[in-house]
Amino acid sequence: DTEVTQTPKHLVMGMTNKKSLKCEQHMGHRAMYWYKQKAKKPPELMFVYSYEKLSINESVPSRFSPECPNSSLLNLHLHALQPEDSALYLCASSPGSSPLHFGNGTRLTVT
Amino acid sequence: KNQVEQSPQSLIILEGKNCTLQCNYTVSPFSNLRWYKQDTGRGPVSLTIMTFSENTKSNGRYTATLDADTKQSSLHITASQLSDSASYICVVRGLNYGGSQGNLIFGKGTKLSVKP
Repeated sequence: DTEVTQTPKHLVMGMTNKKSLKCEQHMGHRAMYWYKQKAKKPPELMFVYSYEKLSINESVPSRFSPECPNSSLLNLHLHALQPEDSALYLCASSPGSSPLHFGNGTRLTVT
Repeated sequence: KNQVEQSPQSLIILEGKNCTLQCNYTVSPFSNLRWYKQDTGRGPVSLTIMTFSENTKSNGRYTATLDADTKQSSLHITASQLSDSASYICVVRGLNYGGSQGNLIFGKGTKLSVKP
């Protein structure tokens, strides 16, 4: 089992809904990330948090809003999404330059 | 432009056979290169890391090579098993973006299918 836990595993939401994806790690990693992965494509970086501060935002639309309440938790708040936002959303953590530890993702479907 | 190209795009082999996956990159300056394995519906898992000074590194039945001069890496899988069926992603880290992981360049992956 992965040491990065993501919930829920699957999510179906309408375009007017508000939902949140959650990610948790207890490895003491100070960097946490959100990636978006479409089918048959590599993961695309969305956000990076370093020491609980947002350090990278890869020009992600404002309908995606990240939050890092503490060093172990990372949330991604979703509002007014589009069908093309349907994808696998991966959370990852790392202690620095060491490998990314990925969660198993949330499979999001926007209807 | 920093790019990572993987080949083949997909590969089907019989159980017990060997195979080699290729990764060519243009990322410069170069820091390191990792191979990840991603099972369907799961997150990627790191298999091995190659730094500039390393030519070969093994992890069980997986052996990675790196030629920093030609900017090529390969992942060789020996005596394949059904559980090796997955996507294998080559990820190259450049040196020029500061300390974050924003400087990772992902390849598109090779989808390997091992048949009985």
